[in-house]
Amino acid sequence: NAGVTQTPKFRILKIGQSMTLQCTQDMNHNYMYWYRQDPGMGLKLIYYSVGAGITDKGEVPNGYNVSRSTTEDFPLRLELAAPSQTSVYFCASSQPGQGVNEQFFGPGTRLTVL
Amino acid sequence: GDSVTQMEGPVTLSEEAFLTINCTYTATGYPSLFWYVQYPGEGLQLLLKATKADDKGSNKGFEATYRKETTSFHLEKGSVQVSDSAVYFCAYLMDTGRRALTFGSGTRLQVQP
Repeated sequence: NAGVTQTPKFRILKIGQSMTLQCTQDMNHNYMYWYRQDPGMGLKLIYYSVGAGITDKGEVPNGYNVSRSTTEDFPLRLELAAPSQTSVYFCASSQPGQGVNEQFFGPGTRLTVL
Repeated sequence: GDSVTQMEGPVTLSEEAFLTINCTYTATGYPSLFWYVQYPGEGLQLLLKATKADDKGSNKGFEATYRKETTSFHLEKGSVQVSDSAVYFCAYLMDTGRRALTFGSGTRLQVQP
């Protein structure tokens, strides 16, 4: 049981490039989330999904897109990367009804946009 | 709006000292409360949690009590170790809608031998 996995671990992009951050969970959780963590700050919610085919915006969605075609995968797409998107990105999953909605986090992707 | 406020760090302590990290929250309704820990270079791990007023969460010698009257969830440990050095995040979650966590800004703890 790998939990939540994310790839890549590190990435450097040039301004205007695009990329997809991958997130996969093997716990059959319906809820999945993308957060970003800026230096010295807490995590902010970018997008979330309550099940396959259903996604919605969080607090800071601008510049990002997501899709949820399967229960397991929740990729985050960056189009036209900007320096303001330099951050550490965490994917998480949870299953309401299993304990106290505990969220399980992936190891993170550190992205630098130059 | 809804938010979590934590004491600013870094907090520097000697080994075996007593630790308190303050956390207060502003939320509509009755959230579940959490402390997450982030060790250097790693993701977030759940440290402890509490779901209702007066509940005490505990794990690895850390404790926090859900205080509804003061909207607080302060983290305490009686005797810290060097291995406790990490960033600690207070967070809450409402059991409706998006069920996403709202985080405080984190408190860095440095424990010296």
